[in-house]
Amino acid sequence: GDSVTQMEGPVTLSEEAFLTINCTYTATGYPSLFWYVQYPGEGLQLLLKATKADDKGSNKGFEATYRKETTSFHLEKGSVQVSDSAVYFCALDPGSARQLTFGSGTQLTVLP
Amino acid sequence: GAVVSQHPSWVICKSGTSVKIECRSLDFQATTMFWYRQFPKQSLMLMATSNEGSKATYEQGVEKDKFLINHASLTLSTLTVTSAHPEDSSFYICSAYRDRGLADTQYFGPGTRLTVL
Repeated sequence: GDSVTQMEGPVTLSEEAFLTINCTYTATGYPSLFWYVQYPGEGLQLLLKATKADDKGSNKGFEATYRKETTSFHLEKGSVQVSDSAVYFCALDPGSARQLTFGSGTQLTVLP
Repeated sequence: GAVVSQHPSWVICKSGTSVKIECRSLDFQATTMFWYRQFPKQSLMLMATSNEGSKATYEQGVEKDKFLINHASLTLSTLTVTSAHPEDSSFYICSAYRDRGLADTQYFGPGTRLTVL
């Protein structure tokens, strides 16, 4: 079945550091890929998405590129802020059942 | 962007009572909504898929009689935890699927924290 594997956390960075959170997936067909962010005590917010190979999703300085050859969708940000501290979830949608499969989540803490 | 609300945001109840959680899509119609459960520091576990006007589809291992789902309209789905017990304490999150072709995606509610004493 479909699965998403995320880099294990927690990840602690200093403000303005470069962020990479790795995400790889296993799926049949051509899934859409997502990054969601969850701030403490809140639900999930869509951060960015990509629907086909080589697409780059971007939002709020975060980027991720859909790499079919490596089945990856790594999240990157050039300069993190304290306000980016949250849990980040990688997810895929196979496109047929509309169901999302989530990775385990990566806790990011950014220190001032 | 699309907005999904949940009510209540938190609830504390006694063991044996039932609790209803509402999920509403505020500015779009959603034929499909999803209910997830999240344990502390863990990922989301899909409980069921709620389809407007039909019975919900439950994931394996989720008790249908314990977690009653009703999708009565295109903007409202409810999850009722019947005869709640302490092990049902969790963070429940709903999402609503917005069908917009290539732009379709799920929009998540803010979650409901259930504590069963």
